[in-house]
Amino acid sequence: GENVEQHPSTLSVQEGDSAVIKCTYSDSASNYFPWYKQELGKRPQLIIDIRSNVGEKKDQRIAVTLNKTAKHFSLHITETQPEDSAVYFCAARSGTASKLTFGTGTRLQVTL
Amino acid sequence: DAGITQSPRHKVTETGTPVTLRCHQTENHRYMYWYRQDPGHGLRLIHYSYGVKDTDKGEVSDGYSVSRSKTEDFLLTLESATSSQTSVYFCAIMESWQGGGYTFGSGTRLTVV
Repeated sequence: GENVEQHPSTLSVQEGDSAVIKCTYSDSASNYFPWYKQELGKRPQLIIDIRSNVGEKKDQRIAVTLNKTAKHFSLHITETQPEDSAVYFCAARSGTASKLTFGTGTRLQVTL
Repeated sequence: DAGITQSPRHKVTETGTPVTLRCHQTENHRYMYWYRQDPGHGLRLIHYSYGVKDTDKGEVSDGYSVSRSKTEDFLLTLESATSSQTSVYFCAIMESWQGGGYTFGSGTRLTVV
């Protein structure tokens, strides 16, 4: 089955700096890559996604890039703010029934 | 929020007892999923369903069973709870407008003592 690795596990940045979280996947048939943000005690929420036929997607301060050849994708957050502090999960979809395999998460802390 | 609710929100149970968690959705989504979340492991798939009475195992299905007798309800049962099943359990649905992404329920925090 699919295996998704995510790095780093923790990331601390100063407000206004950029943050980058990287994920790799194993199944070359995976075709959909969402990113979720989870605040403390809350449910994971979808923040951005990318499909395998697209190399980059942006939504205001966040962007995702995909390199199918290398089987890795990344989340970029620019001009970080304290409210960006949360745990971020990447995921990859493969196989039947649209199952998502998640990475182990990155705890992002934005300091003032 | 997408009409998905989980119950109970919190539960403490004793080792060896059966426990059933409920996921209820109001929007007729075909696909439903149960995940558990543990520190250092992210979200791991337990079981999933692709229709009424159509279910299959995920990567961590041992000790769990599921049932889906109606489109709106997806039940997760711990047949004989163990301390290793202490976790936060999330139900998810795949919403077609998301094109493959999930909407999660609020979660159930289960403690097995």
